[in-house]
Amino acid sequence: KAGVTQTPRYLIKTRGQQVTLSCSPISGHRSVSWYQQTPGQGLQFLFEYFSETQRNKGNFPGRFSGRQFSNSRSEMNVSTLELGDSALYLCASSLTRVSTEAFFGQGTRLTVV
Amino acid sequence: AQSVTQPDIHITVSEGASLELRCNYSYGATPYLFWYVQSPGQGLQLLLKYFSGDTLVQGIKGFEAEFKRSQSSFNLRKPSVHWSDAAEYFCAVGPYGGATNKLIFGTGTLLAVQP
Repeated sequence: KAGVTQTPRYLIKTRGQQVTLSCSPISGHRSVSWYQQTPGQGLQFLFEYFSETQRNKGNFPGRFSGRQFSNSRSEMNVSTLELGDSALYLCASSLTRVSTEAFFGQGTRLTVV
Repeated sequence: AQSVTQPDIHITVSEGASLELRCNYSYGATPYLFWYVQSPGQGLQLLLKYFSGDTLVQGIKGFEAEFKRSQSSFNLRKPSVHWSDAAEYFCAVGPYGGATNKLIFGTGTLLAVQP
């Protein structure tokens, strides 16, 4: 069974640009959550999707958005990139809306220059 | 507000020595509790989890953790550390009964293992 796949693994973007990150959950999993990891703030919850609907959102500006498709794949978008958006973005896949386990992908390392 | 505290930012132990990583949580009810491990540049791997029942839970790689309600703690232990255990460890809490998979993480403990 394939794990959680995040693409791309690494990205370098310039301030002001926008970026789209992709996450393919484990087959059959319907819930996808996104986290931002930085040395200063640690692991912070961005948002959660289930059945193509955003169910929960963390305390991030509106520049951060996401969506989920009918096949449960999810994308997150960051517009007008700032230097502080440099981070490891992790996607977590869960079977149902309330699950006992979340499986994480290897993350996308975003560097904003 | 829900929160997780990992008091130790960095710990160094000798290979073969025992290990205990501390985790305290603040939550209104009995939460789901998790320990994850992260190797450099990698994602998070679940070591073990607690939902209810036996307060001593066994995980992968020889790790165990004990839930102590009176102390709001969920400390991770391993009797004999291997060099391959060097990594960062995160304690996390999830809502119990809430319709969400959101996790709140502690700040992590970086474990170094010396020969």
